[in-house]
Amino acid sequence: AQSVAQPEDQVNVAEGNPLTVKCTYSVSGNPYLFWYVQYPNRGLQFLLKYITGDNLVKGSYGFEAEFNKSQTSFHLKKPSALVSDSALYFCAVRWGSGGYQKVTFGTGTKLQVIP
Amino acid sequence: NAGVTQTPKFQVLKTGQSMTLQCAQDMNHEYMSWYRQDPGMGLRLIHYSVGAGITDQGEVPNGYNVSRSTTEDFPLRLLSAAPSQTSVYFCASSISGGNTQYFGPGTRLTVL
Repeated sequence: AQSVAQPEDQVNVAEGNPLTVKCTYSVSGNPYLFWYVQYPNRGLQFLLKYITGDNLVKGSYGFEAEFNKSQTSFHLKKPSALVSDSALYFCAVRWGSGGYQKVTFGTGTKLQVIP
Repeated sequence: NAGVTQTPKFQVLKTGQSMTLQCAQDMNHEYMSWYRQDPGMGLRLIHYSVGAGITDQGEVPNGYNVSRSTTEDFPLRLLSAAPSQTSVYFCASSISGGNTQYFGPGTRLTVL
C-alpha cells in the first residue's frame, strides 16, 4: 500500500544554517512525489515535485529535494534557512491509475527557524 | 484568477445539524478533492471528483456527501454533524488526478 512517512514532528534550525526535512515513501511502480508548505491559517502551497529524471529537484523559495530510489527517500533541503521559512511542510506521493490517481500526504513536519 | 475559494471560513455546529461547505475554482480544473486536516494526522482524503458528474470516495468518506454538477463547484455536505468531524477542511483542485494541487484557504469547523 502507498504511504509517506515524515519521521520528525518538528525540526529546529538556526537562521543561515542548512536545513533538511525528511521524507520516505512506499508506493507501487515509479514514484511521483511532492512537497507542499503550509503557513499558519493558510491552505497548502506547492513547493516542488519529482516525476522522473534528475534526482535533484529545484522548487520555489530556494528549496530543493533529493530523490533517492534505493533509500526510498525524498528529503527537502535548503542551503541557508530564513526565519520566514518557518511553517508546516508536507511530503506527498501519487498513487492509483488512469484518471483516478490520488495523493497521500505525510503527517507533516513543523520547521522552526531560530533567529 | 481567484483560484480556489471556500466558504465559510469558520463554522460552529451542534451535534446532528447538517451543513454544506462550499468550494469553487476558476481554473477549469477537472479534478477536485476534499481533505480534512487533524493534528498529527496530516491531510486525509474525504471525497474527490474527476469531472462534472463523477465522484468517488477517499479514505474517510463516512458522514460526508458530495456532488459535482459543474466543473467549477464541488460542495461537501455534512449529513448529521458529530464532534468527530471537528476539523479544518480543505478543498483542492488540479488539472488531473495526482497532479499539482491548488488549495483553498480552508474552513475551520467545530461541532459541539
